[in-house]
Amino acid sequence: GNSVTQMEGPVTLSEEAFLTINCTYTATGYPSLFWYVQYPGEGLQLLLKATKADDKGSNKGFEATYRKETTSFHLEKGSVQVSDSAVYFCALAGGSYIPTFGRGTSLIVHP
Amino acid sequence: GAVVSQHPSWVICKSGTSVKIECRSLDFQATTMFWYRQFPKQSLMLMATSNEGSKATYEQGVEKDKFLINHASLTLSTLTVTSAHPEDSSFYICSAPGTSGRANTGELFFGEGSRLTVL
Repeated sequence: GNSVTQMEGPVTLSEEAFLTINCTYTATGYPSLFWYVQYPGEGLQLLLKATKADDKGSNKGFEATYRKETTSFHLEKGSVQVSDSAVYFCALAGGSYIPTFGRGTSLIVHP
Repeated sequence: GAVVSQHPSWVICKSGTSVKIECRSLDFQATTMFWYRQFPKQSLMLMATSNEGSKATYEQGVEKDKFLINHASLTLSTLTVTSAHPEDSSFYICSAPGTSGRANTGELFFGEGSRLTVL
């Protein structure tokens, strides 16, 4: 079946540090890939997405590139802020795919 | 963007009682909605897929008689936790897929979540 694997957290960084959260997937065919963010006490909201290989999704300074050859969709940000502290979920979905999520990675950014 | 509203956002109930959680798509029609349970340490577990006008599809290991799902209209799905027990305490989240025409874009629109505490 389809699956998404993302690095375990928590990831703890100082403000303005570089962020990478790794995500790899296993799927038949070519799903769309997503990153969702969950702030404390809230539901999930879409952060960015990519619908085909080599597409780059970006939003709020975050980026992720759909890499078919490595089946990856790593999330990056050049300079994190305290307000970026949240849980980040990598997911695959689209078409006939049942949405499949990774376990989530908690990010803690210290001033 | 599309909005999904979930209610109540938190509920405390006594053991043995039933609790209903509503999930509404406010500005779009959702023939399908997904119900998740979120455990401590963040992981999301898909419980079931509700389909408007037909029976829900439950994931393996989820008790159908325990977690009743009804999708009565194109904008409303409900999850009823029957005879709740403390181990049912959790954060329940619904979501609906976005569409572009008839195509499923894959993007999910999530409700705010419902925190259930069973005493």
